Amino acid sequence: IAGITQAPTSQILAAGRRMTLRCTQDMRHNAMYWYRQDLGLGLRLIHYSNTAGTTGKGEVPDGYSVSRANTDDFPLTLASAVPSQTSVYFCASSKGMGDTQYFGPGTRLTVL
Amino acid sequence: QKEVEQDPGPLSVPEGAIVSLNCTYSNSAFQYFMWYRQYSRKGPELLMYTYSSGNKEDGRFTAQVDKSSKYISLFIRDSQPSDSATYLCAMNPTSGSRLTFGEGTQLTVNP
Repeated sequence: IAGITQAPTSQILAAGRRMTLRCTQDMRHNAMYWYRQDLGLGLRLIHYSNTAGTTGKGEVPDGYSVSRANTDDFPLTLASAVPSQTSVYFCASSKGMGDTQYFGPGTRLTVL
Repeated sequence: QKEVEQDPGPLSVPEGAIVSLNCTYSNSAFQYFMWYRQYSRKGPELLMYTYSSGNKEDGRFTAQVDKSSKYISLFIRDSQPSDSATYLCAMNPTSGSRLTFGEGTQLTVNP
């Protein structure tokens, strides 16, 4: 693989269910990010990680958690999904915080 | 009020037109400015990157920054149907800080 991948491509989920969105990059980038993109609101940062082992909260972190056990992977977990979490989720990575970000293809999540 | 304001459009132009896309911002600390292009059902990709005020040209694309007015623009010359996408501006105050994105402007170039 080359670049950044996300899985699944799309998912329909019942409210209250737990869901983990996967993100993997093979560019050895230190920083990784999770965004959600909603019509009228643009891209909003959920969580980020400066480097493996560290994470931070973005603009809209409530209801989401992340982990960064290694450089390549940055999963996003919805512990108990709610309909307002219906969105398109993008994972991104950059060499360092603030550097050019490379985005994955996105995951379309619908919570019913 | 949002830190970065961008007209979401949609903007529809004929092929060959000059397109002007704009963002305004409120944080005078922003120094690094980017334009990302996002095709339908894809992730954004970096198109242009500028630092501080001035112009930067890359082929048919010109990025312009006016820090005194807190206003940035992206110009597309001789627009093509393949330029149809959503264009997002992004900026940060230092090279090591998080980006703040605009909402994005949806552009359609009609053949």
